[in-house]
Amino acid sequence: GQSLEQPSEVTAVEGAIVQINCTYQTSGFYGLSWYQQHDGGAPTFLSYNALDGLEETGRFSSFLSRSDSYGYLLLQELQMKDSASYFCAPGGGNKLTFGTGTQLKVEL
Amino acid sequence: DADVTQTPRNRITKTGKRIMLECSQTKGHDRMYWYRQDPGLGLRLIYYSFDVKDINKGEISDGYSVSRQAQAKFSLSLESAIPNQTALYFCATSDFSSGVNTGELFFGEGSRLTVL
Repeated sequence: GQSLEQPSEVTAVEGAIVQINCTYQTSGFYGLSWYQQHDGGAPTFLSYNALDGLEETGRFSSFLSRSDSYGYLLLQELQMKDSASYFCAPGGGNKLTFGTGTQLKVEL
Repeated sequence: DADVTQTPRNRITKTGKRIMLECSQTKGHDRMYWYRQDPGLGLRLIYYSFDVKDINKGEISDGYSVSRQAQAKFSLSLESAIPNQTALYFCATSDFSSGVNTGELFFGEGSRLTVL
């Protein structure tokens, strides 16, 4: 079967660093994607890890360990606009499985 | 103009009615998807299509059907709507023409459906 675990809520202050963890169990794994969704909006792509290690894109970084079926999204220099839901999505062949997501609240 | 367009954006209907949600894309992508989002349940895959002749069921296809009329168009139908199909529906596309997985889906703005 397939399963995904990520925290339901995370709260952090502006300017801080936050890490959102994701553990997964899925068949036909190719890589792990991360998406951001603001309330009422469409999910938008943040990053994709096909190989083990860290991928950095500006203030956001994503990490994957295939052997541990584990990944995380690291957000640095948090801004109020980062308040949103974040989804990890393991997938194969671009068919992604989304979990229930992590709601990030950034406070002053 | 949006690259992935969904119509209608909002729809209220009654139990038993037939509803069609339409999705069109100008990205030239080969793969298209329909997801459903309910509060607290994340995004769940309803159907996906890897090309015009290839349509597959997702994890929650019961009560839904789809049609891939052209590479750019993928519609979702509810033959007889019921209240628990009230949700936010997203169409998405991806490009696999090069054979490389990118993990990137491009989503439409969503269609909010309410079944009374």
